[in-house]
Amino acid sequence: QSALTQPPSASGSPGQSVTISCTGTSSDVGAYNYVSWYQQHPGKAPKLLIYEVNKRPSGVPDRFSGSKSGNTASLTVSGLQAEDEADYYCSSYAGSNNFGVFGGGTKLTVL
Amino acid sequence: QVQLQESGPGLVKPSETLSLTCAVSGFSISSGFYWGWIRQPPGKGLEWIGSIYHSGNTFYNSSLKSRVAISVDTSKNQFSLNLTSVTAADTAIYYCARHSKVRNADYWGQGTLVTASS
Repeated sequence: QSALTQPPSASGSPGQSVTISCTGTSSDVGAYNYVSWYQQHPGKAPKLLIYEVNKRPSGVPDRFSGSKSGNTASLTVSGLQAEDEADYYCSSYAGSNNFGVFGGGTKLTVL
Repeated sequence: QVQLQESGPGLVKPSETLSLTCAVSGFSISSGFYWGWIRQPPGKGLEWIGSIYHSGNTFYNSSLKSRVAISVDTSKNQFSLNLTSVTAADTAIYYCARHSKVRNADYWGQGTLVTASS
């Protein structure tokens, strides 16, 4: 099962918005509304940011939002802050007979 | 507050077995959810290894299935990973995590670096 495709890097200035894409196939992203996004700061464990395409766990700021169209999911970070600089990974459910897959990760730089 | 903590050797010789345990506190494994292992080679991305349901049913990534075994000890509220015949390619930070059926991992351990080297 192939990894989901993410751009290796993205950047934006404080206060701006940035969108990170995550492209899969009709067997994973396109088939289910079960896309998750994780934020990982250096030396730390990943943190769940978004689940089921656009839901935020308690405590995650509403500056983070998710969406999906076809086989591509997106994470938008609005009002960029310095602490948003991190690696971001998407993940998708791929059915009960497949384990699921992560994207390759996107390094977000706040300029 | 749910907390997970990995433990095990940080160095494993090639061809030997990597064994890690994840101790869970703040939530009873028997109460539900899936309990999984994810790894991350240094400087690289995340990879699902496998999971175990509280009932004991296991699910493995097909790419590792022949070498992986995950077990649970509900009396100790912990679950374990065994990965056999390790090579340098298995060098990674190993995380344990709680996740839903659709793979939303909401609680993670801090991770433990395991190096496969002689």
